[in-house]
Amino acid sequence: AQKVTQAQTEISVVEKEDVTLDCVYETRDTTYYLFWYKQPPSGELVFLIRRNSFDEQNEISGRYSWNFQKSTSSFNFTITASQVVDSAVYFCALSPPGGGNKLTFGTGTQLKVEL
Amino acid sequence: DAGVIQSPRHEVTEMGQEVTLRCKPISGHDYLFWYRQTMMRGLELLIYFNNNVPIDDSGMPEDRFSAKMPNASFSTLKIQPSEPRDSAVYFCASSLARTSGSTDTQYFGPGTRLTVL
Repeated sequence: AQKVTQAQTEISVVEKEDVTLDCVYETRDTTYYLFWYKQPPSGELVFLIRRNSFDEQNEISGRYSWNFQKSTSSFNFTITASQVVDSAVYFCALSPPGGGNKLTFGTGTQLKVEL
Repeated sequence: DAGVIQSPRHEVTEMGQEVTLRCKPISGHDYLFWYRQTMMRGLELLIYFNNNVPIDDSGMPEDRFSAKMPNASFSTLKIQPSEPRDSAVYFCASSLARTSGSTDTQYFGPGTRLTVL
């Protein structure tokens, strides 16, 4: 069985602070995929990143960066110099290999960025 | 390119009524997924299709729920009869399996917020 844990239910920061959202996963698959999605107040789910379990390189995209550590089964997401527009619920998700890539979502972390 | 399209965006109905949610996947995508999001249960997969064929409907809560995909560009999720506990946001997502064994990204529609009174 697959499981994703996002222990942080809600995080509040002041604009320009850095913030890290934690994600810990469990799976018996040797190959798997990890994702982060953003759900802003408008409600849609926006894809942010997809990571293959074979690729442990960290990734940076603008103010966003992701730290994948297979040894600790974690795939953490850091926002540098947070902005009010970053306020959203962020979901980490796990998928097995194969075409029927059923996503198992974590419970999400509500990020509030205040002025 | 257009993303996943869902209609209606909001639906308010009374208990016992039939509800039909619609989804148009991204053109060329061969997987389609229906999810439900509630505060209590989070995001849960209801059913998914591959090349218009239902593959796994183990997440469908009960017989009141049914889903169809008559062609590659259209899917429906029907609830009959609806109940207040069906109130949730229903998302449709689609993805493309590029090669055998690969996993591609699911792109989500804007969701349909269903309220059953």
